[in-house]
Amino acid sequence: QKEVEQDPGPLSVPEGAIVSLNCTYSNSAFQYFMWYRQYSRKGPELLMYTYSSGNKEDGRFTAQVDKSSKYISLFIRDSQPSDSATYLCAMSATLTGGGNKLTFGTGTQLKVEL
Amino acid sequence: KAGVTQTPRYLIKTRGQQVTLSCSPISGHRSVSWYQQTPGQGLQFLFEYFSETQRNKGNFPGRFSGRQFSNSRSEMNVSTLELGDSALYLCASSLDAGLSSGNTIYFGEGSWLTVV
Repeated sequence: QKEVEQDPGPLSVPEGAIVSLNCTYSNSAFQYFMWYRQYSRKGPELLMYTYSSGNKEDGRFTAQVDKSSKYISLFIRDSQPSDSATYLCAMSATLTGGGNKLTFGTGTQLKVEL
Repeated sequence: KAGVTQTPRYLIKTRGQQVTLSCSPISGHRSVSWYQQTPGQGLQFLFEYFSETQRNKGNFPGRFSGRQFSNSRSEMNVSTLELGDSALYLCASSLDAGLSSGNTIYFGEGSWLTVV
């Protein structure tokens, strides 16, 4: 079983819809949670970063973390065709020797239809 | 402010050859990480360097290696290439060595490696 599970989709929604993307994880040491957006043949672009539990909002994007359920979500309001991409959740624990090591979900492919 | 720059963007190699990929982090960033992305396995952590020292390593064979220079630029090398090494290799940089204090990780566009 993977440490981070994410439904690969594809998820198809009409323009203007609210999109909900989710990841579950098994490692209770994860404290840092990120959402990246990746367009085809491009590198991942950081959308949201959250430390520990709680909500964070940035424009049309809201990230939620529920550490008790080991569940994170990304909501996209008023979705646009330009939001069509693969959305990757990523998370990390505090490492003993310091440093960064992200564990990613497999990514959810989203298509927003006109 | 320039982002993470990776070269080359695309390359084709033959089985058994070796390859070196280069990464220039965002100016002022001292931590550089490398990831491999494949359709089957997704994004997987290779290793991370900070101040020219490898701080963390993923579960990849010794054929995968890297280094970081005093100007924070980094290279990764894959020796004795196998067909399964065909992937997008992504470099990421962050300001410091940890995710505390709001340090975030930014990715480059990647180097597409095809092994034939």
